[in-house]
Amino acid sequence: NAGVMQNPRHLVRRRGQEARLRCSPMKGHSHVYWYRQLPEEGLKFMVYLQKENIIDESGMPKERFSAEFPKEGPSILRIQQVVRGDSAAYFCASSPKSLGQGEAFFGQGTRLTVV
Amino acid sequence: ILNVEQSPQSLHVQEGDSTNFTCSFPSSNFYALHWYRWETAKSPEALFVMTLNGDEKKKGRISATLNTKEGYSYLYIKGSQPEDSATYLCASGSSNTGKLIFGQGTTLQVKP
Repeated sequence: NAGVMQNPRHLVRRRGQEARLRCSPMKGHSHVYWYRQLPEEGLKFMVYLQKENIIDESGMPKERFSAEFPKEGPSILRIQQVVRGDSAAYFCASSPKSLGQGEAFFGQGTRLTVV
Repeated sequence: ILNVEQSPQSLHVQEGDSTNFTCSFPSSNFYALHWYRWETAKSPEALFVMTLNGDEKKKGRISATLNTKEGYSYLYIKGSQPEDSATYLCASGSSNTGKLIFGQGTTLQVKP
């Protein structure tokens, strides 16, 4: 059973471009979470999704950021018109149940650099 | 807004020393407390998920306790080894949501 797969591992974008970060959860996991780690900071919650539904997006910036977890395929975190402040490591985690009931399994992250 | 605080921020110990870290979290609407171990260049890996006040969990030389009434958890490492060097994260969830709020972590360095 492969772990949580994130790609790309490293992504460089120029200011104003779009960044698409992909996350394939572990097999059988229907809960996906995205976290962001800014330089010198901890993991900050962004969004929690179950298949085709956004459950909690209270950590997502109101503009330019969106997330989806379609019925088929990976979860996608999309950042439109990137700015330098978006440079960070973005981590995806998945679980078979909600995190009140079990642990999260993390991917290795995508490191986004905006130049 | 939940605030999860961890202390100390970093710790340097000698091989064989025992050590412990603290995680403080809001006790209202508590649902679960997670501990993760994060080695450099790897992903965070779960150590414990704790939900009940007074819970104690153990995995090898590592153990954790939970006090939900006063809002703290301790992580203990007995006889630290160099391979224990990592950042230890705790995370608290309130009510049954997927939102885990992470602390900043305690970075442990064990010298041989």
